[in-house]
Amino acid sequence: GENVEQHPSTLSVQEGDSAVIKCTYSDSASNYFPWYKQELGKRPQLIIDIRSNVGEKKDQRIAVTLNKTAKHFSLHITETQPEDSAVYFCAALASGGGADGLTFGKGTHLIIQP
Amino acid sequence: DVKVTQSSRYLVKRTGEKVFLECVQDMDHENMFWYRQDPGLGLRLIYFSYDVKMKEKGDIPEGYSVSREKKERFSLILESASTNQTSMYLCASTRRDTDTQYFGPGTRLTVL
Repeated sequence: GENVEQHPSTLSVQEGDSAVIKCTYSDSASNYFPWYKQELGKRPQLIIDIRSNVGEKKDQRIAVTLNKTAKHFSLHITETQPEDSAVYFCAALASGGGADGLTFGKGTHLIIQP
Repeated sequence: DVKVTQSSRYLVKRTGEKVFLECVQDMDHENMFWYRQDPGLGLRLIYFSYDVKMKEKGDIPEGYSVSREKKERFSLILESASTNQTSMYLCASTRRDTDTQYFGPGTRLTVL
């Protein structure tokens, strides 16, 4: 089955700086890679996703890059703000119409220092 | 807006009790999922269902069962709760033709 590794487990950055979280996956059949943000006591919320036919996707201050050859993908957050503090999860899926569960990384606790 | 709800936010049960966790979605999604979330382990898939009365084992199905009698409702059952099942349980759903999963608020289960 799929295995997703996520690093680092904790990331502390100064407000205004950039943050990068990296994930690797093992199953070359995986073709859908979402990122979820989970604030304390709340449900995970999808913030951005990418499919394997695309190398990069951007949405305002967040971007995701995918390297299929190396089987890794990364989340980039620029100009970090206090509200970016949360736990971020990457995930991978070998898409067959959504009828499979996601395999998640173990999460990164992002701390934005004022 | 997709709405996924779970029957309880917090639940305390005793070892050996039978526990039911309920999840309901109101967007006519075909696929539903149960995950458990533990610190340092991320979210792990317990069971999922792609249609009424259909179920598939995920990565950690031992000690759990599920029921999907209606399209909008997916139940997770702990036949005989044990302390190692103390965890946060998250339900999710998605349409058959998409991959985006929408999560419920979670049920924090404590087994004493």
